[in-house]
Formats: sequence, structure tokens, C-alpha cells
Amino acid sequence: EIVLTQSPATLSLSPGERATLSCRASQSVSRFLAWYQQKLGQPPRLLIYDASNRATGIPARFSGSGSGTDFTLTISSLEPEDFAVYYCQQRSNWAITFGQGTRLEIK
Amino acid sequence: EVQLVESGGGLVQPGGSLRLSCAASELTFSNYDMHWVRQGTGKGLEWVSGIGAAGDTYYPASAEGRFTTSRENDKNSLYLQMNNLRAGDTAVYYCVTGRDWNFDSWGQGTQVTVSS
Repeated sequence: EIVLTQSPATLSLSPGERATLSCRASQSVSRFLAWYQQKLGQPPRLLIYDASNRATGIPARFSGSGSGTDFTLTISSLEPEDFAVYYCQQRSNWAITFGQGTRLEIK
Repeated sequence: EVQLVESGGGLVQPGGSLRLSCAASELTFSNYDMHWVRQGTGKGLEWVSGIGAAGDTYYPASAEGRFTTSRENDKNSLYLQMNNLRAGDTAVYYCVTGRDWNFDSWGQGTQVTVSS
């Protein structure tokens, strides 16, 4: 099973700042890596798929990069509604795993 | 917009069984792979199962044969049969779908609680 490790566990930033979230895979997943945002009491929302493609309706301030084992989600300038939990997810060898999540909180 | 509505959750004793259902609409159901993802209270996301458009099934190594997923394309429905339930199976179970196993559509989830 491919293990995804997200860092940091918690990120404290202010609106307007830049957020950088990391996801590292225990073995290569090529570019089969997605990012989700989850707010309290809601199901997750797909932000990025295939490492760098924004899903429908996702603002341009969200961007993804990486390949192989190291991936990054960047939020260029935080809006108040961006404070949430973020998960990465890989799909490889007909199996799916998620990272443990990064909580982005208001500083 | 794709609509996914889960049902069948509830309280069950350890060792018991439960069958979850998911009713899908606003999509050509027979063309989509479908999945179940669960989330324990205050915990992260865990993939439970997947089923391809043709009925091929996929499970994580940890599934241990207790869960079985199936579908009825003529009813636009997805199912998850869960047997020998344990306390650790307590979670919200989401029905999800999306192209190439990227999950852009989620239901609101159904709560499963395993407790005596």
C-alpha cells in the first residue's frame, strides 16, 4: 500500500498570506495525485487532479505541482473561506490512499 | 449536477451486518466507476471500495473480505454490504464518483455506528 504523508499537520497563517502544503508518497505515483478541501460538516471537494489540473470551478489561487513522490498544493493568497482541512489522494495500481490531512487555521 | 444520496446507515452491534445504498442521478450511471469512502469522527478519509462500470471490484488490502460492493445499473444504485462489523468501522460512509478515480462528486454521507 502506498502511504501518503502530509506536512505540516497544522499550518497557521493569516488571510492574504501564501500557503504551501506538502504531500510525500512512499513510492512513485507518477502524476496520479489529487487534492481535496474539507470544511466542517461537509464532504470533501476536489481541488486539483493529476497533480496540477484545477477541477471545475476552483479559483486560480489554488495550484498544484510535483510528480513521482513529492507534491505541493499552493494557495497564493489566502481568503477567509480557505481555512479548512486539506487531503491529498493517490490512485495507483487499482488502489487509493489518502494522506492524513493538513489543517489550515487562521493565525 | 451529479446527485448521490446514501442510505442504510444506523446503529449495529459488533459482529452484525449492514447494507448501505447509494442512489445516483444526473449522470449516466452505467458509465461511471463508483466508490465508497469513509471518515471516522475527527479522523481522515479512508477508501473502502470501488466498482468499475462493468462490475469489476477493487478493495484496499485492509478490507479483509468483510465488505462487498455491488451495483445495479438499471436502478442507478450502488451498494455496500458490510459483515462482521467492528467498532473501528464506525464512520460516515460517502458514496463518491468522478472520472479516472478523481472524486469530484460526493454524497452527504450516512452514519454507521458499531456499538453494543
